[in-house]
Amino acid sequence: DAMVIQNPRYQVTQFGKPVTLSCSQTLNHNVMYWYQQKSSQAPKLLFHYYDKDFNNEADTPDNFQSRRPNTSFCFLDIRSPGLGDAAMYLCATSWRGSETQYFGPGTRLLVL
Amino acid sequence: AQSVTQPDIHITVSEGASLELRCNYSYGATPYLFWYVQSPGQGLQLLLKYFSGDTLVQGIKGFEAEFKRSQSSFNLRKPSVHWSDAAEYFCAVGAGSGGGADGLTFGKGTHLIIQP
Repeated sequence: DAMVIQNPRYQVTQFGKPVTLSCSQTLNHNVMYWYQQKSSQAPKLLFHYYDKDFNNEADTPDNFQSRRPNTSFCFLDIRSPGLGDAAMYLCATSWRGSETQYFGPGTRLLVL
Repeated sequence: AQSVTQPDIHITVSEGASLELRCNYSYGATPYLFWYVQSPGQGLQLLLKYFSGDTLVQGIKGFEAEFKRSQSSFNLRKPSVHWSDAAEYFCAVGAGSGGGADGLTFGKGTHLIIQP
């Protein structure tokens, strides 16, 4: 089945230790998104890629970076995780023009 | 900038009873509206969406929603809830000229509790 896959599902890192979260898709969609969802809050868009064009939200901290080496994969890099970065990170994809986003199961990040 | 308000943080409904979850949006142009459901520890599943046309849209799992431009609302309804409907429900509006393609703005969610 075509889908959005996120690995790992759970990630534990140490304060200040860089961490990378992975997202892959078999839908061949040209847009990929990263959202941050803190406990009991709404998902918040961090950035998205339209093909190779990177679009950063104005209030996304510089600590968060992203890479999209090809259509199928997109990575979220947190350069120096703080305790406040503990959250569920959701990856989503869409085909530009179809408006609908398809979400992966999320990666829950714990910062010790 | 667009925004979404879900006025009810928690709603408790008896199994078999009807359900309505409220959603109000603020957006300068024709909105692209979505309802997603999230079970604990899981990602978001699309229930239904509205882009244009018939203002009453049908979704999966027996859900429907009605777009009312005059009230800036997009309320979600289900005639008879099941225990498996217990989850977090998010209303969202699509940003940018591509509808949802530039990202979604979510409401804070409504936590649905089903009483036996």
